[in-house]
Amino acid sequence: GENVEQHPSTLSVQEGDSAVIKCTYSDSASNYFPWYKQELGKGPQLIIDIRSNVGEKKDQRIAVTLNKTAKHFSLHITETQPEDSAVYFCAARPYALNFGKGTSLLVTP
Amino acid sequence: EAQVTQNPRYLITVTGKKLTVTCSQNMNHEYMSWYRQDPGLGLRQIYYSMNVEVTDKGDVPEGYKVSRKEKRNFPLILESPSPNQTSLYFCASSSGVFSEQYFGPGTRLTVT
Repeated sequence: GENVEQHPSTLSVQEGDSAVIKCTYSDSASNYFPWYKQELGKGPQLIIDIRSNVGEKKDQRIAVTLNKTAKHFSLHITETQPEDSAVYFCAARPYALNFGKGTSLLVTP
Repeated sequence: EAQVTQNPRYLITVTGKKLTVTCSQNMNHEYMSWYRQDPGLGLRQIYYSMNVEVTDKGDVPEGYKVSRKEKRNFPLILESPSPNQTSLYFCASSSGVFSEQYFGPGTRLTVT
């Protein structure tokens, strides 16, 4: 099955800096790559996703890039704010959704 | 309000005592699934359902059962819970396999 690796497991940045989280996947059949944000005590919530026919997608301060040849995709958050502090999960789907282990992002004022 | 609800939110039980965690969605979604979340392991899928009466195993189905008799409900059943099933459980639904999954608020289960 699909194996999704996510790095780093923890990330601390200062407010206003950029944060980058990287994921790799193993199954070349994967064609859907969502990113979820999980705040304390809540369920994960989709923040952005990308499909395999697209190399990059942006939504305000958040962007995702996909390199299908290298089988990796990344989440980029610019101008980070304290409310960006949360656990972020990447996922890849050839069929069932397979999640990475998560990155705990801390944005300090 | 579009949402996925789970009950109970917190549950402490003893080994071997059957329990059911309910999940309901009000978005008319066809696809529903259950995940467990454990520290350092991320989210792992337990079971999923493509539609009414259609269910299939995920990555970690052992010790769990599900049913999908109605489109809106997808209960998770632990016939004989064991301590290794202590975890945080999430139900999710989506309109299709490649659509956004909406997660419930989670159920924290402790089995002693």
